Amino acid sequence: NAGVMQNPRHLVRRRGQEARLRCSPMKGHSHVYWYRQLPEEGLKFMVYLQKENIIDESGMPKERFSAEFPKEGPSILRIQQVVRGDSAAYFCASSRTSGSETQYFGPGTRLTVL
Amino acid sequence: GQQLNQSPQSMFIQEGEDVSMNCTSSSIFNTWLWYKQDPGEGPVLLIALYKAGELTSNGRLTAQFGITRKDSFLNISASIPSDVGIYFCAGFYTGTASKLTFGTGTRLQVTL
Repeated sequence: NAGVMQNPRHLVRRRGQEARLRCSPMKGHSHVYWYRQLPEEGLKFMVYLQKENIIDESGMPKERFSAEFPKEGPSILRIQQVVRGDSAAYFCASSRTSGSETQYFGPGTRLTVL
Repeated sequence: GQQLNQSPQSMFIQEGEDVSMNCTSSSIFNTWLWYKQDPGEGPVLLIALYKAGELTSNGRLTAQFGITRKDSFLNISASIPSDVGIYFCAGFYTGTASKLTFGTGTRLQVTL
């Protein structure tokens, strides 16, 4: 998976807790994308970020979900007050340039909400 | 949100057989990509297609970008056990701020 790092790989939360998912893009990549995959389904786009900017968040739920990609450090996808329906695999991808279809995916974080 | 339709949903084949799967969309894309996902892992890019009508190969894999820009096909020749996994098509359109639209997936199982 070409060097995109995600952690944790597995995360278990109880309903109402917060989940923080981290993504470190490939070296030299400044564009990060988050996707969600429900069991037995394809990946669905959530949000696209460049350093310190959200470019497109059209796929992200308006409530409880937020994403950031600070100048220093990894990109964070934050889910507040998790519900069982948030259980899914969350994948991060990165690219070197903007508008790039060549996105390299990380191994994903599997979130389970009890 | 939009999702691409892939068929078949799943297939069981014997080692050595050829495999074909396709992906259709109600809207056009200017790039088509094919990914493979192994259990517990992220998708890995197999082939990218950039031009309508383009036919591209990567080893035993061959993919085509449909003339209408609304479909794509992936063929795997002489399948081997490590071909097992889920294959996803993905469409990309320059005007959509870099997001990939993924298909529903084709699960491939190869028997000896």
